[in-house]
Amino acid sequence: GEQVEQLPSSLIVQEGASVLINCSYTDSASVYFPWYKQEPGKRLQFIIDIRSNMERKQTQRLTLLFDKKTKHLSLHITATQPGDSAIYFCSASPANYGNEKITFGAGTKLTIKP
Amino acid sequence: ETAVFQTPNYHVTQVGNEVSFNCKQTLGHDTMYWYKQDSKKLLKIMFSYNNKQLIVNETVPRRFSPQSSDKAHLNLRIKSVEPEDSAVYLCASSQGLGNYAEQFFGPGTRLTVL
Repeated sequence: GEQVEQLPSSLIVQEGASVLINCSYTDSASVYFPWYKQEPGKRLQFIIDIRSNMERKQTQRLTLLFDKKTKHLSLHITATQPGDSAIYFCSASPANYGNEKITFGAGTKLTIKP
Repeated sequence: ETAVFQTPNYHVTQVGNEVSFNCKQTLGHDTMYWYKQDSKKLLKIMFSYNNKQLIVNETVPRRFSPQSSDKAHLNLRIKSVEPEDSAVYLCASSQGLGNYAEQFFGPGTRLTVL
């Protein structure tokens, strides 16, 4: 089955810095890649997604890059704020199944130091 | 308030007991999910359900069963809990089965099996 790997597993940066979270997957049948964020004590929250027919998507301070050939994604967060401290999850879903066969990575714990 | 609601927040029980967790969504969605999040924050989908179809992750033990009265409610029953069932159980919802829609998550139910 699909395997999703995230690196790094954790990182600590100073407020205002940019961060890069990498994600790779194994199943070429995966076509949809949503990212979720889980702040301490809060519920999981959708932040951005991309489909396999796209290479890049941007929303506010988030940029998501997708490389179908290498099966790799990277989430770039600019101008980090304390509220960005959270666990970030990459996920992958195959064609024809939507969320029903979604596979999550183990998460990247981001800590922003004020 | 439109959201996904879960009860109870916490539950402590002993090996072999039966437990039941409730989930309700007021978002008007037609598809609901149950996830297990272990102590390392690893997320795994257990069930996907709408009023027409139940999709079960093949790794889910048979002692787990979803129960739904309507499209706004999806409960989770665990017959004869085991120590490895200790985890946070997250309920989520989205619109449509088999499509790629943002999922909305509940706050979770933390189960501890003694």
